[in-house]
Amino acid sequence: EPEVTQTPSHQVTQMGQEVILRCVPISNHLYFYWYRQILGQKVEFLVSFYNNEISEKSEIFDDQFSVERPDGSNFTLKIRSTKLEDSAMYFCASSEDPWSEQFFGPGTRLTVL
Amino acid sequence: AQTVTQSQPEMSVQEAETVTLSCTYDTSESNYYLFWYKQPPSRQMILVIRQEAYKQQNATENRFSVNFQKAAKSFSLKISDSQLGDTAMYFCAFVNTGTASKLTFGTGTRLQVTL
Repeated sequence: EPEVTQTPSHQVTQMGQEVILRCVPISNHLYFYWYRQILGQKVEFLVSFYNNEISEKSEIFDDQFSVERPDGSNFTLKIRSTKLEDSAMYFCASSEDPWSEQFFGPGTRLTVL
Repeated sequence: AQTVTQSQPEMSVQEAETVTLSCTYDTSESNYYLFWYKQPPSRQMILVIRQEAYKQQNATENRFSVNFQKAAKSFSLKISDSQLGDTAMYFCAFVNTGTASKLTFGTGTRLQVTL
């Protein structure tokens, strides 16, 4: 069964450093998403991506964040200068169309020290 | 703006019993989809069930079923014959078909299935 994969599973970084979180969506999916979940809280939408451009972004997704689909398979989230409050679980998801099931990856736990 | 409310932070049910998790939502749109996602301790997000707002029939998926009340904007999840493996966090979520397809999640209900 096809699945969304994410690497790394856990990333530890120092405050102010840049991190890149990687995702491989399901191959025939066209819509891609990043979500964030701070420990013990609800899952929050960050950004959606379709046709090589951002469709929508939340107020969390400020200038420190960027997304890219560098090739036909990877979808990345970059945080330019990490802050302590960026510590969270980051989930990538993909879907065939805007209203069908979004398949989630296993997440990347980001710890900013 | 869409909001999703889950008023039960924690619930407990005995194995083999039935439990219902509540969810209400607020939207001005008429076309949308509703989902229940399960998040076990591994923190993987797993789709449990999906409901299209234009369908009057309640969705069912094996032991999982929903009670969708569109007028009341209510979308509860019923788990029958609860199993230990159902222990998880359950999130209700909403997506509006008219705009970009972000999922809006509720705050979750932590379900504990006991022997």
